[in-house]
Amino acid sequence: EPEVTQTPSHQVTQMGQEVILRCVPISNHLYFYWYRQILGQKVEFLVSFYNNEISEKSEIFDDQFSVERPDGSNFTLKIRSTKLEDSAMYFCASRRQGGSNEKLFFGSGTQLSVL
Amino acid sequence: KNQVEQSPQSLIILEGKNCTLQCNYTVSPFSNLRWYKQDTGRGPVSLTIMTFSENTKSNGRYTATLDADTKQSSLHITASQLSDSASYICVVSASGGSYIPTFGRGTSLIVHP
Repeated sequence: EPEVTQTPSHQVTQMGQEVILRCVPISNHLYFYWYRQILGQKVEFLVSFYNNEISEKSEIFDDQFSVERPDGSNFTLKIRSTKLEDSAMYFCASRRQGGSNEKLFFGSGTQLSVL
Repeated sequence: KNQVEQSPQSLIILEGKNCTLQCNYTVSPFSNLRWYKQDTGRGPVSLTIMTFSENTKSNGRYTATLDADTKQSSLHITASQLSDSASYICVVSASGGSYIPTFGRGTSLIVHP
């Protein structure tokens, strides 16, 4: 089965530093998402992206966050100035169509640790 | 506000036993409900999808049920295996408007030999 791939699998950074998390969605998918999961808590929606623009974002996704699809394959999440509370597992997800019945395919995640 | 509540929070069972996980939701208008399995350190993987008209759906040893009237779903795992140890997440989507699904906190299942 095709996979969403994420790199790196682990990222350690100092508070205040910028980080870029990378994702390669499944090739024929059109809708892309970022979620995060703080240790022991539920998966939380951050942002959805379609047709080269943000379609929805949560209140977590503030001005410190940005997303980009720099080429035809990559989808990135940038955190401009990391805070301790940004430490979490970040999941990229994609789906072929945007309808609610369409299955979301998740990557294996990037574990971000902010020190 | 759309919410998904799961119980129990955690469950320990012996290999070979059956178990049932519960999900209650208040998402409206309802579109579908998915159960995901999340292995430790991995992304969630979809097990089943239930739409409004479906009461029961099976995927191997996993059987999901849906009662749209009471807004409840269950996931039954038969003859558990060690590899079933994971977090099981109930995710409910609304129809119309936002297609962003609402996630439950998950049930952590541990299967002991």
